[in-house]
Amino acid sequence: GESVGLHLPTLSVQEGDNSIINCAYSNSASDYFIWYKQESGKGPQFIIDIRSNMDKRQGQRVTVLLNKTVKHLSLQIAATQPGDSAVYFCAENILRRLQGGSEKLVFGKGTKLTVNP
Amino acid sequence: DGGITQSPKYLFRKEGQNVTLSCEQNLNHDAMYWYRQDPGQGLRLIYYSQIVNDFQKGDIAEGYSVSREKKESFPLTVTSAQKNPTAFYLCASSIPRGAAFFGQGTRLTVV
Repeated sequence: GESVGLHLPTLSVQEGDNSIINCAYSNSASDYFIWYKQESGKGPQFIIDIRSNMDKRQGQRVTVLLNKTVKHLSLQIAATQPGDSAVYFCAENILRRLQGGSEKLVFGKGTKLTVNP
Repeated sequence: DGGITQSPKYLFRKEGQNVTLSCEQNLNHDAMYWYRQDPGQGLRLIYYSQIVNDFQKGDIAEGYSVSREKKESFPLTVTSAQKNPTAFYLCASSIPRGAAFFGQGTRLTVV
């Protein structure tokens, strides 16, 4: 079935360390992936995205890596700060070509990142 | 300012009542989505719409209904048929093949 899952539900790091959050996806038809950050009681915020024709994309302090061979996605946060504490979700956009090109965005359960001062 | 507005932020429903959650966007996005989030869980898709006057069921559509009469608006009705409606509801919008952007959510509680 379609699913996006995460290897670790919680991650605790020291301030200033680098964080790596992992995500596995199962749908080989997925060609677009997005990372979101969600703070308590708020809606998810877009962090970074990557399309399947790339294997790496960098933003400000964040890097997303895509390994299509093993269907794995990771988010790397450099020099993690207390403000980075949140739940991080990966999402895959599945284009259903047999259903008129409809798209579906599937989310994983999330990883809770805690940054210790 | 451009964005997605959900209202109300908190909503209380008595058992057996229907309630409607509002979602408005001024981003000129074609696609809009409704997700449900339970504590400690990910987001599950309820309904989505890629164009005005058209919408499709997501993974957990039972007990919910939507309409898309205007591009800017995608209201969600939680009907009495939804047996466990207490949750955090999130609306999002996107351009085709683009990232979805979210509102700030509505927390619905059954009393």
